[in-house]
Amino acid sequence: EAGVTQFPSHSVIEKGQTVTLRCDPISGHDNLYWYRRVMGKEIKFLLHFVKESKQDESGMPNNRFLAERTGGTYSTLKVQPAELEDSGVYFCASSQARGEQFFGPGTRLTVL
Amino acid sequence: AQSVSQHNHHVILSEAASLELGCNYSYGGTVNLFWYVQYPGQHLQLLLKYFSGDPLVKGIKGFEAEFIKSKFSFNLRKPSVQWSDTAEYFCAVMNNAGNMLTFGGGTRLMVKP
Repeated sequence: EAGVTQFPSHSVIEKGQTVTLRCDPISGHDNLYWYRRVMGKEIKFLLHFVKESKQDESGMPNNRFLAERTGGTYSTLKVQPAELEDSGVYFCASSQARGEQFFGPGTRLTVL
Repeated sequence: AQSVSQHNHHVILSEAASLELGCNYSYGGTVNLFWYVQYPGQHLQLLLKYFSGDPLVKGIKGFEAEFIKSKFSFNLRKPSVQWSDTAEYFCAVMNNAGNMLTFGGGTRLMVKP
């Protein structure tokens, strides 16, 4: 069974540019989560989808971040415009039910 | 609000030494606790979890953790570490809604051969 995959693995962009991160959950997992780890800090929850619906986006830092999950399969997280403080590792996770979450390898975002 | 504290940021051990990583949490609801591990260059993976029942939980690769409710702790232990245990370890608590994991800051373990 394929695990959670994320693309790209690394992204380096200039401040003010736009970046879109993609997450493909494990097939059949209705629940999809985004987390972020800023350098030297804890991994923090961003939001949770059940199928295509946002269930909880309490962790989204501001309106420069937009997450979508059209069709209830893969998800994208867009940062527009990117700021220096957005640098970090963005993790995606999925689960079948509410319980154990399976994590992807993360996307390392560097904003210069 | 829930929070998780991991006391040790960096731990260096020699092979065969015993390991105990501290984790304390703050949460008012039903507690579901996890330890995740991230080996170098790999993704986060679950070591073990506690939902209910026996407070001594056994996980993969010889790890175990003990939930002590009175101390709000969920420390991770392994009697004899190996070089391959070099990794970063994360303690986490899940909220009542069952969707949000709150992580501690992580502990980087280096095991010297």
